[in-house]
Amino acid sequence: QKEVEQNSGPLSVPEGAIASLNCTYSDRGSQSFFWYRQYSGKSPELIMFIYSNGDKEDGRFTAQLNKASQYVSLLIRDSQPSDSATYLCAVKENDYKLSFGAGTTVTVRA
Amino acid sequence: DADVTQTPRNRITKTGKRIMLECSQTKGHDRMYWYRQDPGLGLQLIYYSFDVKDINKGEISDGYSVSRQAQAKFSLSLESAIPNQTALYFCATSIGFYEQYFGPGTRLTVT
Repeated sequence: QKEVEQNSGPLSVPEGAIASLNCTYSDRGSQSFFWYRQYSGKSPELIMFIYSNGDKEDGRFTAQLNKASQYVSLLIRDSQPSDSATYLCAVKENDYKLSFGAGTTVTVRA
Repeated sequence: DADVTQTPRNRITKTGKRIMLECSQTKGHDRMYWYRQDPGLGLQLIYYSFDVKDINKGEISDGYSVSRQAQAKFSLSLESAIPNQTALYFCATSIGFYEQYFGPGTRLTVT
């Protein structure tokens, strides 16, 4: 079983809609969670991090964490064509190891 | 100027050749990492370094070696390249274990 699982997609949403991305993780002791955005051929770019259960909002992005269910999600509101990218979920498992999911590719249709 | 730079950005090499990928950072971060990314597999940690004298293997270190020449420089070597080392390689940095920031990547092809 992979440590961090994401729906591979692709996820296609119309412009202006909400894109919902899901991530589950296996290490119940994980404490920190990150979402990175990666455009094709480019490097991952940090867009959100969350440490506590509940929601965290930053502009059009909302991260949601439920440690009991070992689940973290990312919502992108008012999706724009520029949001078309692969989104990587990353989970901090200990002092050095950041485990990444394979990513979910999002396509926003104009 | 970019905070994390990698050279070369693209490299094609032959099986059996030794190759070095270099990473430099101006962020002043103490920790540096090398990852490889293959389609559908996400990012896998090759090596990480907490400071110049502290270098550790990651989950896929076989066939690779590293050198931390200074706090700002961390190099990855493939001693004898093989085709399944064809991948996108990223260097990353962090202060302690907080967010990691990635360099632009090196696309390596081994023929």
